[in-house]
Amino acid sequence: NAGVTQTPKFRILKIGQSMTLQCTQDMNHNYMYWYRQDPGMGLKLIYYSVGAGITDKGEVPNGYNVSRSTTEDFPLRLELAAPSQTSVYFCASSYTGQGGTEAFFGQGTRLTVV
Amino acid sequence: AQSVTQLDSQVPVFEEAPVELRCNYSSSVSVYLFWYVQYPNQGLQLLLKYLSGSTLVESINGFEAEFNKSQTSFHLRKPSVHISDTAEYFCAVSSSASKIIFGSGTRLSIRP
Repeated sequence: NAGVTQTPKFRILKIGQSMTLQCTQDMNHNYMYWYRQDPGMGLKLIYYSVGAGITDKGEVPNGYNVSRSTTEDFPLRLELAAPSQTSVYFCASSYTGQGGTEAFFGQGTRLTVV
Repeated sequence: AQSVTQLDSQVPVFEEAPVELRCNYSSSVSVYLFWYVQYPNQGLQLLLKYLSGSTLVESINGFEAEFNKSQTSFHLRKPSVHISDTAEYFCAVSSSASKIIFGSGTRLSIRP
Protein backbone atom coordinates (compact mmCIF):
# COMPACT_ATOMS: atom_id res chain seq x y z
CA ASN A 1 0.00 0.00 0.00
CA ALA A 2 1.16 3.50 -0.83
CA GLY A 3 -0.61 5.03 2.19
CA VAL A 4 -0.49 8.83 2.13
CA THR A 5 1.46 10.40 -0.71
CA GLN A 6 2.47 14.04 -0.67
CA THR A 7 4.07 15.99 -3.46
CA PRO A 8 6.36 17.84 -3.81
CA LYS A 9 8.91 17.04 -1.09
CA PHE A 10 10.65 20.38 -1.38
CA ARG A 11 9.70 23.71 -2.90
CA ILE A 12 10.99 27.26 -2.93
CA LEU A 13 8.47 29.99 -3.69
CA LYS A 14 8.87 33.69 -4.19
CA ILE A 15 6.70 36.07 -2.20
CA GLY A 16 3.34 36.45 -3.89
CA GLN A 17 3.51 33.23 -5.88
CA SER A 18 0.92 30.51 -5.45
CA MET A 19 1.14 26.74 -5.40
CA THR A 20 -0.79 23.59 -4.61
CA LEU A 21 0.47 20.85 -2.33
CA GLN A 22 -0.94 17.52 -3.42
CA CYS A 23 -2.08 14.78 -1.04
CA THR A 24 -3.54 11.40 -1.95
CA GLN A 25 -4.47 8.43 0.22
CA ASP A 26 -5.44 4.95 -0.90
CA MET A 27 -6.89 3.61 2.35
CA ASN A 28 -10.46 4.85 1.85
CA HIS A 29 -10.16 6.99 4.96
CA ASN A 30 -12.93 9.48 5.61
CA TYR A 31 -10.86 12.08 7.48
CA MET A 32 -7.99 13.98 5.93
CA TYR A 33 -5.85 16.71 7.50
CA TRP A 34 -3.28 19.33 6.67
CA TYR A 35 -0.79 20.41 9.33
CA ARG A 36 2.14 22.75 9.37
CA GLN A 37 5.13 22.37 11.64
CA ASP A 38 7.51 25.24 12.25
CA PRO A 39 11.06 24.53 13.51
CA GLY A 40 11.06 23.26 17.08
CA MET A 41 7.30 23.51 17.30
CA GLY A 42 4.40 21.09 17.34
CA LEU A 43 1.74 20.48 14.74
CA LYS A 44 -0.78 23.15 13.87
CA LEU A 45 -3.94 22.07 12.07
CA ILE A 46 -4.64 24.14 8.97
CA TYR A 47 -7.72 22.44 7.52
CA TYR A 48 -9.39 19.10 7.76
CA SER A 49 -12.10 17.19 5.92
CA VAL A 50 -14.60 14.64 7.21
CA GLY A 51 -15.40 13.33 3.75
CA ALA A 52 -15.72 14.24 0.10
CA GLY A 53 -17.28 17.66 -0.31
CA ILE A 54 -16.86 18.65 3.35
CA THR A 55 -13.99 20.75 4.70
CA ASP A 56 -13.49 22.76 7.86
CA LYS A 57 -10.96 25.21 9.26
CA GLY A 58 -8.38 24.27 11.81
CA GLU A 59 -6.26 26.53 14.02
CA VAL A 60 -4.35 28.41 11.31
CA PRO A 61 -6.38 28.53 8.06
CA ASN A 62 -5.52 32.07 6.92
CA GLY A 63 -3.66 32.15 3.62
CA TYR A 64 -4.69 28.62 2.64
CA ASN A 65 -7.54 26.93 0.83
CA VAL A 66 -8.52 23.29 0.42
CA SER A 67 -10.98 21.17 -1.50
CA ARG A 68 -12.09 17.56 -1.23
CA SER A 69 -13.74 16.51 -4.43
CA THR A 70 -12.92 12.82 -3.94
CA THR A 71 -12.26 10.56 -0.97
CA GLU A 72 -8.67 10.10 -2.08
CA ASP A 73 -7.45 13.64 -2.73
CA PHE A 74 -7.07 16.65 -0.45
CA PRO A 75 -4.96 19.38 -2.07
CA LEU A 76 -3.80 22.44 -0.13
CA ARG A 77 -3.62 25.72 -2.02
CA LEU A 78 -1.38 28.61 -1.01
CA GLU A 79 -2.37 31.91 -2.53
CA LEU A 80 0.01 34.87 -2.42
CA ALA A 81 2.81 33.09 -0.56
CA ALA A 82 4.35 34.96 2.38
CA PRO A 83 7.57 34.31 4.36
CA SER A 84 5.40 33.36 7.35
CA GLN A 85 4.28 30.31 5.37
CA THR A 86 7.80 28.89 5.36
CA SER A 87 7.27 25.59 7.16
CA VAL A 88 7.05 21.84 6.82
CA TYR A 89 3.60 20.70 5.75
CA PHE A 90 2.18 17.28 6.57
CA CYS A 91 -0.89 15.67 5.14
CA ALA A 92 -2.58 12.88 7.08
CA SER A 93 -5.63 10.65 6.89
CA SER A 94 -7.56 8.50 9.33
CA TYR A 95 -10.69 6.43 9.56
CA THR A 96 -13.07 7.73 12.18
CA GLY A 97 -15.93 5.47 13.09
CA GLN A 98 -16.40 2.25 14.97
CA GLY A 99 -13.02 0.58 15.06
CA GLY A 100 -11.26 3.81 14.17
CA THR A 101 -7.65 4.03 13.11
CA GLU A 102 -4.67 6.15 13.84
CA ALA A 103 -3.64 9.00 11.57
CA PHE A 104 -1.32 8.01 8.73
CA PHE A 105 1.09 10.72 7.66
CA GLY A 106 2.73 11.65 4.41
CA GLN A 107 6.47 12.32 4.32
CA GLY A 108 6.05 16.07 4.41
CA THR A 109 6.70 19.03 2.13
CA ARG A 110 9.42 21.46 3.09
CA LEU A 111 8.37 24.87 1.77
CA THR A 112 10.53 27.97 1.78
CA VAL A 113 9.13 31.36 0.78
CA VAL A 114 11.77 33.94 -0.16
CA ALA B 1 -15.01 18.74 22.70
CA GLN B 2 -11.90 16.69 23.17
CA SER B 3 -8.50 17.96 24.15
CA VAL B 4 -5.10 16.55 24.99
CA THR B 5 -2.38 18.01 27.20
CA GLN B 6 1.27 17.05 27.29
CA LEU B 7 2.51 18.49 30.52
CA ASP B 8 6.23 18.58 29.72
CA SER B 9 7.62 20.36 26.68
CA GLN B 10 11.11 18.93 27.28
CA VAL B 11 12.37 15.94 29.23
CA PRO B 12 16.14 15.45 29.62
CA VAL B 13 17.29 12.08 30.93
CA PHE B 14 20.52 10.12 31.12
CA GLU B 15 21.06 7.09 28.94
CA GLU B 16 19.78 3.85 30.49
CA ALA B 17 17.57 5.79 32.92
CA PRO B 18 13.79 5.30 32.98
CA VAL B 19 11.51 7.92 31.47
CA GLU B 20 7.85 8.86 31.63
CA LEU B 21 6.21 11.28 29.20
CA ARG B 22 2.90 12.49 30.49
CA CYS B 23 -0.33 12.82 28.53
CA ASN B 24 -3.77 13.74 29.83
CA TYR B 25 -6.92 14.05 27.79
CA SER B 26 -10.47 15.24 28.22
CA SER B 27 -13.46 13.71 26.48
CA SER B 28 -17.10 12.99 27.18
CA VAL B 29 -17.10 9.84 25.04
CA SER B 30 -14.98 6.74 24.67
CA VAL B 31 -11.59 7.53 23.22
CA TYR B 32 -8.85 6.14 21.08
CA LEU B 33 -5.36 7.15 22.19
CA PHE B 34 -2.06 7.28 20.34
CA TRP B 35 1.60 8.09 20.77
CA TYR B 36 3.62 9.21 17.77
CA VAL B 37 7.37 9.70 17.50
CA GLN B 38 9.19 12.17 15.28
CA TYR B 39 12.93 11.68 14.87
CA PRO B 40 15.00 14.70 13.82
CA ASN B 41 14.18 15.87 10.29
CA GLN B 42 11.67 13.09 9.74
CA GLY B 43 7.89 12.70 9.64
CA LEU B 44 5.62 11.29 12.31
CA GLN B 45 5.46 7.58 12.97
CA LEU B 46 2.94 5.74 15.09
CA LEU B 47 4.61 4.38 18.21
CA LEU B 48 1.65 2.66 19.87
CA LYS B 49 -2.11 2.92 20.15
CA TYR B 50 -5.04 2.10 22.39
CA LEU B 51 -8.33 1.39 20.62
CA SER B 52 -9.96 -1.11 22.99
CA GLY B 53 -9.17 -4.16 25.10
CA SER B 54 -6.07 -4.32 27.26
CA THR B 55 -5.27 -0.98 28.81
CA LEU B 56 -1.52 -1.62 28.62
CA VAL B 57 -0.08 -1.33 25.14
CA GLU B 58 3.50 -1.82 24.02
CA SER B 59 5.70 -0.81 21.13
CA ILE B 60 8.33 -2.93 19.44
CA ASN B 61 11.18 -0.78 20.79
CA GLY B 62 10.39 -1.10 24.50
CA PHE B 63 7.95 1.75 25.12
CA GLU B 64 4.64 1.13 26.82
CA ALA B 65 1.61 3.22 27.72
CA GLU B 66 -1.31 2.54 29.99
CA PHE B 67 -4.81 3.87 29.44
CA ASN B 68 -6.13 5.08 32.79
CA LYS B 69 -9.76 6.06 32.40
CA SER B 70 -10.23 7.31 35.95
CA GLN B 71 -7.24 9.65 35.66
CA THR B 72 -7.85 10.39 31.96
CA SER B 73 -4.22 9.69 31.24
CA PHE B 74 -2.12 7.80 28.73
CA HIS B 75 1.46 8.23 29.94
CA LEU B 76 4.33 6.80 27.91
CA ARG B 77 7.09 4.95 29.72
CA LYS B 78 10.34 3.19 29.00
CA PRO B 79 12.42 1.50 31.70
CA SER B 80 15.79 2.23 30.07
CA VAL B 81 16.31 4.76 27.29
CA HIS B 82 18.94 4.80 24.56
CA ILE B 83 20.53 7.64 22.65
CA SER B 84 18.47 6.54 19.65
CA ASP B 85 15.26 7.41 21.52
CA THR B 86 16.09 11.10 21.16
CA ALA B 87 13.04 12.50 19.39
CA GLU B 88 9.84 14.45 19.84
CA TYR B 89 6.85 12.51 21.08
CA PHE B 90 3.25 13.47 20.42
CA CYS B 91 0.19 12.18 22.22
CA ALA B 92 -3.11 12.19 20.32
CA VAL B 93 -6.77 11.45 21.05
CA SER B 94 -9.79 10.73 18.89
CA SER B 95 -13.14 8.97 19.12
CA SER B 96 -15.54 7.16 16.82
CA ALA B 97 -17.09 10.51 15.90
CA SER B 98 -14.29 13.08 15.92
CA LYS B 99 -11.04 14.03 14.31
CA ILE B 100 -7.67 13.23 15.81
CA ILE B 101 -6.30 15.93 18.10
CA PHE B 102 -2.58 16.17 18.86
CA GLY B 103 -0.83 17.43 21.93
CA SER B 104 1.90 20.03 21.73
CA GLY B 105 4.70 17.46 21.90
CA THR B 106 7.45 16.52 24.36
CA ARG B 107 11.07 16.70 23.31
CA LEU B 108 13.03 13.82 24.81
CA SER B 109 16.76 14.42 24.99
CA ILE B 110 19.11 11.66 26.11
CA ARG B 111 22.43 12.48 27.75
CA PRO B 112 25.27 9.95 27.59
